[in-house]
Amino acid sequence: GESVGLHLPTLSVQEGDNSIINCAYSNSASDYFIWYKQESGKGPQFIIDIRSNMDKRQGQRVTVLLNKTVKHLSLQIAATQPGDSAVYFCAENKKRFGNEKLTFGTGTRLTIIP
Amino acid sequence: GAVVSQHPSWVICKSGTSVKIECRSLDFQATTMFWYRQFPKQSLMLMATSNEGSKATYEQGVEKDKFLINHASLTLSTLTVTSAHPEDSSFYICSARAGRGSSYEQYFGPGTRLTVT
Repeated sequence: GESVGLHLPTLSVQEGDNSIINCAYSNSASDYFIWYKQESGKGPQFIIDIRSNMDKRQGQRVTVLLNKTVKHLSLQIAATQPGDSAVYFCAENKKRFGNEKLTFGTGTRLTIIP
Repeated sequence: GAVVSQHPSWVICKSGTSVKIECRSLDFQATTMFWYRQFPKQSLMLMATSNEGSKATYEQGVEKDKFLINHASLTLSTLTVTSAHPEDSSFYICSARAGRGSSYEQYFGPGTRLTVT
C-alpha cells in the first residue's frame, strides 16, 4: 500500500553537530511534503515544506531535500540545540476528490546530547 | 497568527460515557478541519475531514457513528466520542486550514489526551 516511512526510529546527536532525518514515500502523485516537529504532549509544529517541483529548500538552520527519483525526503538540522530534541514527522499531501489530505510517516525521535 | 486551540487539554471519563472535544481556530476562518488520533509512540492517523456546513468525510475503518464530528461554524469543530471504551484512550489532535484548496498548510491544535477508565 501507499505509505510514508522513516528509516531510523531514533537518532542521537551531539549538541552543535548536524543531524539528518530521512523519510521514504511511495506515492509519486503527492505534490507537497512537510516536516513537523512534535514535542511530548503537544501538537505537531510546522518546520518546513517543499513542493514536488523542487529538490531543495532552506530555512533557518533547516534544509529539506527531495529526491523524487528514489522517493526520498530528508531534513537536515544544522548546529543542533537541546531544544531540537523531539519527534520529527514527514508528511505528504495528496489531493483526493478535490480535498487535500496529509499522510504522516512513522516518526523519528531526535535526542540532542549536551 | 494562525492559532488553533483545543478544549479540554485532557479528560478522563468512565467507559460507556460520551466525551466532546472542541477545536477552534482563533484568528482565522477554517473552511476545513481535520481530526487525527495518535496512540503512544505512534504517528498521527487521520480520522476524518470536515468542511464547514457539510458532513464529515471519514477515513476507512473509522466509525462515523462512534466519532461524531460537527463543523457548524468557520471557527469551531467538535469531535464527540460516543460510548467511549478504554481502547479509545488516545491523543486526539485537530488541525485547521484556511481557504478551500488555497493553502496546503494545516495549523495544528495542542491535542487532547483522552483516558477512558
